Amino acid sequence: DAGVIQSPRHEVTEMGQEVTLRCKPISGHNSLFWYRQTMMRGLELLIYFNNNVPIDDSGMPEDRFSAKMPNASFSTLKIQPSEPRDSAVYFCASRGQGALSGYTFGSGTRLTVV
Amino acid sequence: GEDVEQSLFLSVREGDSSVINCTYTDSSSTYLYWYKQEPGAGLQLLTYIFSNMDMKQDQRLTVLLNKKDKHLSLRIADTQTGDSAIYFCAESKGGGGADGLTFGKGTHLIIQP
Repeated sequence: DAGVIQSPRHEVTEMGQEVTLRCKPISGHNSLFWYRQTMMRGLELLIYFNNNVPIDDSGMPEDRFSAKMPNASFSTLKIQPSEPRDSAVYFCASRGQGALSGYTFGSGTRLTVV
Repeated sequence: GEDVEQSLFLSVREGDSSVINCTYTDSSSTYLYWYKQEPGAGLQLLTYIFSNMDMKQDQRLTVLLNKKDKHLSLRIADTQTGDSAIYFCAESKGGGGADGLTFGKGTHLIIQP
């Protein structure tokens, strides 16, 4: 089990550019979550999917942010256009069905917008 | 106010016990979790407790839950330098289904030699 795989690990981009973060959940997990971590705000839930369907996107900060899950093994988080205040570590997590299934986090993507 | 609150820092001597505290506000929280984050790494699940339990022990880790006071604690026995990390308390709203976690800001555990 390779765990939750995120790419890239680090991304540096210029303000105004489009940024796409990628996540591959654990095979068989049916829920996928995107979190953002900053020093000021801690860990914030941005959006989550259940069986590839977005369930709650109330944490997405602005229309510049969008997320998709075209199939059970892949999700993207896109920021267009990016701004310096988007700089953060973005984590993806997945969870299986059932009360005893825990959340598994990826190693995160550190995004720096200059 | 915050849904989940933790102290930002805790400093302990190597070999002593560490107790990290957390309070939450949502009485409907069904599952409560402790995660560990080492520098530059993702979050690692340490342990979790169901809201109908008041204690759970797993090797050096002991979780205590006071549901009446909405207070959760994590005790690490015989604290080692490898325990130095940020510890996050988190709650899951709802019945353990596919809902997101609400995290505290994290407690930085500092180990003194």
